[in-house]
Amino acid sequence: AQKITQTQPGMFVQEKEAVTLDCTYDTSDPSYGLFWYKQPSSGEMIFLIYQGSYDQQNATEGRYSLNFQKARKSANLVISASQLGDSAMYFCAMRAAGRRALTFGSGTRLQVQP
Amino acid sequence: EADIYQTPRYLVIGTGKKITLECSQTMGHDKMYWYQQDPGMELHLIHYSYGVNSTEKGDLSSESTVSRIRTEHFPLTLESARPSHTSQYLCASSTSLRAFFGQGTRLTVV
Repeated sequence: AQKITQTQPGMFVQEKEAVTLDCTYDTSDPSYGLFWYKQPSSGEMIFLIYQGSYDQQNATEGRYSLNFQKARKSANLVISASQLGDSAMYFCAMRAAGRRALTFGSGTRLQVQP
Repeated sequence: EADIYQTPRYLVIGTGKKITLECSQTMGHDKMYWYQQDPGMELHLIHYSYGVNSTEKGDLSSESTVSRIRTEHFPLTLESARPSHTSQYLCASSTSLRAFFGQGTRLTVV
């Protein structure tokens, strides 16, 4: 079975500061992918970043980076230089090779303060 | 960026009505999904399709049904809507690495 745990229901960060959103996962599959999605109040799911289990380097996409620690089964999202538009729900997700679909965590609501 | 569309975006409907939520994608993806999400909560898979004429139930039990007659089209139907069906429904399609989501349908059954 796959499980994603996000322990931070809500986070606050000052504009222009960096913030880390935590994600831990559990799977017995050796091959898997980890994803982060942003969901603004409008409801759509916006893909942010992907990390494969065999990738040697941490993934980066602009201001987003994924701090992947395989031995600890963690895949934390780091947002650098936060902007007001970053205020949203953030979901960590995983799909193991051969599995049907993404499994999502419960999400973290990030609020960026001016 | 994503070429996946859901209609309607918002729907308020009375109890007992039959409804169909539409989902279409133009990316040629074989895999498509329906997720159900209550406000501020996690997404739960309710239906999955491997391709044309192939559908499966997801992890969360749902009274809805789906069909996949064409690759690009994956509609979800509720034969008799109830207030407990009030939720957001998100459609997605995927490659092996990434899932693309539609904008979602917010359904309210009164």
